[in-house]
Amino acid sequence: SQQGEEDPQALSIQEGENATMNCSYKTSINNLQWYRQNSGRGLVHLILIRSNEREKHSGRLRVTLDTSKKSSSLLITASRAADTASYFCATDAGNNRLAFGKGNQVVVIP
Amino acid sequence: EPEVTQTPSHQVTQMGQEVILRCVPISNHLYFYWYRQILGQKVEFLVSFYNNEISEKSEIFDDQFSVERPDGSNFTLKIRSTKLEDSAMYFCASSPVGVGETQYFGPGTRLLVL
Repeated sequence: SQQGEEDPQALSIQEGENATMNCSYKTSINNLQWYRQNSGRGLVHLILIRSNEREKHSGRLRVTLDTSKKSSSLLITASRAADTASYFCATDAGNNRLAFGKGNQVVVIP
Repeated sequence: EPEVTQTPSHQVTQMGQEVILRCVPISNHLYFYWYRQILGQKVEFLVSFYNNEISEKSEIFDDQFSVERPDGSNFTLKIRSTKLEDSAMYFCASSPVGVGETQYFGPGTRLLVL
């Protein structure tokens, strides 16, 4: 079964810097979604990128998708302390079930 | 902005007891889901539900689990006889349509089985 796998798993940056995290997966997908989770809280949807898209922006977020390499990246520009969270990629193979990666813990130091 | 809500936020139960976790999906959504996240592990898909029946379920979703939409607003997950390993955060999600659309998650119910 497919699954997202984020890399790196922990990232600590200064406020104002950019944070980049990667995700790889194993099988064909319909779309890939990124979620944020603050400690012990729910999953907040950030952005969805479809398999026929290569790049997508939403505010300070930039997501890329390379289906030939089966990988995606999430870039958070000009990070803020409030961006401190875990970030998950999740792939949708078109069967109504999201397959989540292990998550990246991002700490933004004020 | 409409949100998925879940109750209770926390539940503690004894092994072997039945628990029912409740969710209110976003009102115009048609697809509903349950996921779980064991502490420190990945979020795992349990089941999807559409048109009053299960459309997909994972290998985790065995006979101990059941889902129901008892009325026009609630969506429930029942665990008949809880085990220690059922301790996890359980997330409900909904989407307006099924394949290829954003799933909106609730805040979760943290279940602790003693």
